[in-house]
Amino acid sequence: DAGITQSPRHKVTETGTPVTLRCHQTENHRYMYWYRQDPGHGLRLIHYSYGVKDTDKGEVSDGYSVSRSKTEDFLLTLESATSSQTSVYFCAIVDLAQREQYFGPGTRLTVT
Amino acid sequence: AQSVSQHNHHVILSEAASLELGCNYSYGGTVNLFWYVQYPGQHLQLLLKYFSGDPLVKGIKGFEAEFIKSKFSFNLRKPSVQWSDTAEYFCAVNTGGGNKLTFGTGTQLKVEL
Repeated sequence: DAGITQSPRHKVTETGTPVTLRCHQTENHRYMYWYRQDPGHGLRLIHYSYGVKDTDKGEVSDGYSVSRSKTEDFLLTLESATSSQTSVYFCAIVDLAQREQYFGPGTRLTVT
Repeated sequence: AQSVSQHNHHVILSEAASLELGCNYSYGGTVNLFWYVQYPGQHLQLLLKYFSGDPLVKGIKGFEAEFIKSKFSFNLRKPSVQWSDTAEYFCAVNTGGGNKLTFGTGTQLKVEL
């Protein structure tokens, strides 16, 4: 599992509230990613990071921000949650030696 | 931008039947290709990958995939499926820059006893 944990694993929140999801890795990987998974859409990239304080937008970044102040943690923030952000969120890392992405266990977020 | 198409959204097979799931991508340059599997309630796991060389790649659990450059395809196959193969399967492509993956919409496979 490449030492990836996500917290919380489940969250229910109300529309308009801010929400922060955390991804933690223990193996010092440089690249980290946030995806959302929705039926009929597969996984879509929200934001990614290529180093501490280095981040970039993905395909569906509107309404989301990220921060990476240390190698092991990559935070995803929903600034003002909306019902359209109800989804399962997966964090991933890249093992550059194998050129493979490994995924965390996911966070199921429900916005009511 | 690249895109990935998986035309079979739901597939139902009986145990021991053969499986082929289609994957097509739209990108004219060098690609790295992946198939991931997601068992119910779990995260994605890598089945196999193609970077270069032999276009027929073998992965875990008896799966294989063939890269056909002229058809922009990377179809997943298994000669004989098992009930435990019931899962969702995702094709993904990486075209460089940031090691980002673009995923297809997934194929839900149900294997019946």
